[in-house]
Amino acid sequence: GDQVEQSPSALSLHEGTGSALRCNFTTTMRAVQWFQQNSRGSLINLFYLASGTKENGRLKSTFNSKESYSTLHIRDAQLEDSGTYFCAAGNNNNAPRFGAGTKLSVKP
Amino acid sequence: GGIITQTPKFLIGQEGQKLTLKCQQNFNHDTMYWYRQDSGKGLRLIYYSITENDLQKGDLSEGYDASREKKSSFSLTVTSAQKNEMAVFLCASSIARGNSDYTFGSGTRLLVI
Repeated sequence: GDQVEQSPSALSLHEGTGSALRCNFTTTMRAVQWFQQNSRGSLINLFYLASGTKENGRLKSTFNSKESYSTLHIRDAQLEDSGTYFCAAGNNNNAPRFGAGTKLSVKP
Repeated sequence: GGIITQTPKFLIGQEGQKLTLKCQQNFNHDTMYWYRQDSGKGLRLIYYSITENDLQKGDLSEGYDASREKKSSFSLTVTSAQKNEMAVFLCASSIARGNSDYTFGSGTRLLVI
């Protein structure tokens, strides 16, 4: 089965609200990375975590290796946050695998 | 800062044709990857390489060959293009396999007619 299970597959937010995206892992991962893919298809690196929590502006990500999950929190969503968000995770024995993505639509 | 360059940006091929995509990075990263992304879907790993002349199969290696001629370059060959195939091929590199921060190129968009 898939090693990286991402949810939800789609999310709609009004401007100014927030929510969380989640990735569950079926095997032990050493690190996780979160990306935003914009409308042009470019993958923008948001966070890389080997453990703990990182915050950048309105985004915050947590990685819990022991419980095999990672989250990405978005607060005060803006229109430009729309796009598809991916997590990718790997370990020393395997190249990173991607989740199926969360398509985020932010509406006025 | 470094950069990953993929060429060509767009590729139109014919059914049955052998097509080669190239990727260059100047980060001096050891590991390079090729992923395929179909419209509206996630990224699937085709091949990766942990050092010059190394090759590791991903989940989608059938129908593809790859070559890591030198540390800075990693090429991908579609051995026989399938009619109506349309996908984006993304190259990435990282310091090491599996648990390192990595960076993507801007992609090669393939259309087979």
